This record gives sequence, C-alpha cells and structure tokens, in this order.
Amino acid sequence: DIQMTQSPSSVSASVGDRVTITCRASQGISSWLAWYQQKPGKAPKLLIYAASSLQSGVPSRFSGSGSGTDFTLTISSLQPEDFATYYCQQANSFPLTFGQGTRLEIK
Amino acid sequence: QVTLRESGPALVKPTQTLTLTCTFSGFSLSTSGMCVSWIRQPPGKALEWLALIDWDDDKYYSTSLKTRLTISKDTSKNQVVLTMTNMDPVDTATYYCARIHGVGAPYFDYWGQGTLVTVSS
Repeated sequence: DIQMTQSPSSVSASVGDRVTITCRASQGISSWLAWYQQKPGKAPKLLIYAASSLQSGVPSRFSGSGSGTDFTLTISSLQPEDFATYYCQQANSFPLTFGQGTRLEIK
Repeated sequence: QVTLRESGPALVKPTQTLTLTCTFSGFSLSTSGMCVSWIRQPPGKALEWLALIDWDDDKYYSTSLKTRLTISKDTSKNQVVLTMTNMDPVDTATYYCARIHGVGAPYFDYWGQGTLVTVSS
C-alpha cells in the first residue's frame, strides 16, 4: 500500500495569512493526488484533483502543486471559513489511501 | 443534482455483520467510468478508504479489511451495499459513501452526509 504522510499535523494561522501544507507519498504517484477539506461534523469536500486542478466552485485562493512523491496545498490568503482539517489522497493505485490530516486552527 | 445517502444500523454488537446501503441520485452506476466507494472515519481520526465498485462490477478493497468486506450494487435501485463481518468496537466510525466519476481518476467528487455506526455490547 502507498503511505501518505502529511505535515504539519496541525498549524495555527491568522486570517489573511498564506499557509502551505505538504503531503509525501511513500512511492511515486505521478500527479494522482487530491486534496479535501473537512469541517467538523461534515463530509469532506474535494478541493484539488490531479495535484493542481481546482475543483469547480472552489475559490482560487486554493492551489496545489507537486508530482512524484512531494505535493503541497497552498491557501494564499486565509479566510475565516478555511479553518478546517485537510486531507490528501493518492489516486495512483488501489488500495486508495489518505494522509492523516492537517488541522488548520485560528491563531 | 448528485446526492448520496447512507443508511443502516446506528448500533451493532461485537461479532455481528454490518450492512450499509448507499442510495444515490443524479447519476447512474451503469454509465461507463462511474464508481461508488465507501470511506470511514473513527471519531477524531483520519479518513480510511474501504471499498469501491465500478460500473462494470469490478470491485476493489482495502488491504487490511478485504477479508471482512463485500461491496455490491443494484443498478435498478441506484444503491450500493457494503457488508462488514465480525464487527469490533474499533470499527466504530462514521461511514461515508462517495462517488467517483472515472475509475481511471479515482477522486471523490460527491459525498453522502455519513452515518455513525457504534459497535458495543
């Protein structure tokens, strides 16, 4: 199975800050990576797919980059509604796997 | 619009078999490339992928759980069913079903609201 490791596990930031979350795959996955946002008590929401493609309806302050084993999710200017937990997911091969999550908290 | 909804028991006893149903609308599982998957999340923990079934009735399972899982579909009813045998308290989690539009690009674009299953005697 491909292991997905996110860092940091949690991060504190302020409204307006630029935040970057990283995800590392245990083996190369080309660009087969997605990012999800999850708020408490809610289902995850797809933000980014194919490492850098923005899902329809997702604000442009969200961006993704990377290929191979190292990926990043960047939020260019944090908004109050962005405080949530973020997960990466590899889509290169079965079984599909998720990272352990990064909790983005208000400073 | 695309919607998915999970249903099943909220409480199961250890060693019992769990049966969950995902009822969906807004797409057909007979359409080429379409898939439905199950994912779970223990309280306060990360997401864990469980199983996937595609339009061609191909099935994929979590490595660690594959001996306990069975996924099936009823295309006429727009339903996907997941069974998990020999339930244990560590299986307590919110179980989600989600759509994948393209087995070649397995990203979950629509999710159900989730159903909490507690395993306790």
